[in-house]
Amino acid sequence: AQSVSQHNHHVILSEAASLELGCNYSYGGTVNLFWYVQYPGQHLQLLLKYFSGDPLVKGIKGFEAEFIKSKFSFNLRKPSVQWSDTAEYFCAVIPYNNNDMRFGAGTRLTVKP
Amino acid sequence: DARVTQTPRHKVTEMGQEVTMRCQPILGHNTVFWYRQTMMQGLELLAYFRNRAPLDDSGMPKDRFSAEMPDATLATLKIQPSEPRDSAVYFCASGTGQFQETQYFGPGTRLLVL
Repeated sequence: AQSVSQHNHHVILSEAASLELGCNYSYGGTVNLFWYVQYPGQHLQLLLKYFSGDPLVKGIKGFEAEFIKSKFSFNLRKPSVQWSDTAEYFCAVIPYNNNDMRFGAGTRLTVKP
Repeated sequence: DARVTQTPRHKVTEMGQEVTMRCQPILGHNTVFWYRQTMMQGLELLAYFRNRAPLDDSGMPKDRFSAEMPDATLATLKIQPSEPRDSAVYFCASGTGQFQETQYFGPGTRLLVL
C-alpha cells in the first residue's frame, strides 16, 4: 500500500545537537512534499514544502529538507536544535494530480536544555 | 493574519450524544479538509470539499459521521451518535483549491466522549 514512513517515533537530543528526521514515501511519479510541526497543544504549522526545482528546501526556524527522488526520501534537518524545537514533526505527501495529503505517523522530538 | 478557526476548541460529551464541530476556512480558500488525530492512528483524512461540494469522504465512518458546507465560510462535521472511540482531535484545514496545494490547519477540536 502507498504510504509515508517516518522511521523515528521519538528522538531525544540535547540543545545544539544536529537533527535529522527521516521520511520515506512509496508513491510513484511526481509528488509534492511537506513537513509540518505541531508544538504541544497547538495545531499543525507548515515548516517547509517541496514542489519542484532545487531539491534542498529551506524552511522557517532554520530547518531544511532534501528531496532525493531516487531514494523516495525527504529528510528534515537542522544543524543546531533549541529547546523550543520540542514538538512533533509530520512528513506529508500529495501525489500528483491529487488533493489527498497523506501524513506519516509523526516523530516526537524532545530537546533537553 | 488569515487563519482557519474551529469551534469548539474542547468538547466533553457522553456516549450517544450528537457532536457538531465547526470550521471557518481562510477567506478565499475553496478547499476544506477534515482530519482526525489519535495516538493510535495518527492523522487520518476524513473528508474534503471543493467549492462546497464533497470530493472524497471515504475516510469517514458513514453510519455516524456527516460533513457539510452550508456556505463558503462554514464547514461542519457531525457525529451522531457519538462513541468513546470517536475521542480524538479533529482538525480542519483549508486551501486554495489548486492541486498539490499547501493546507493551512486550524487549532483543532479536542473531543472526549465518555
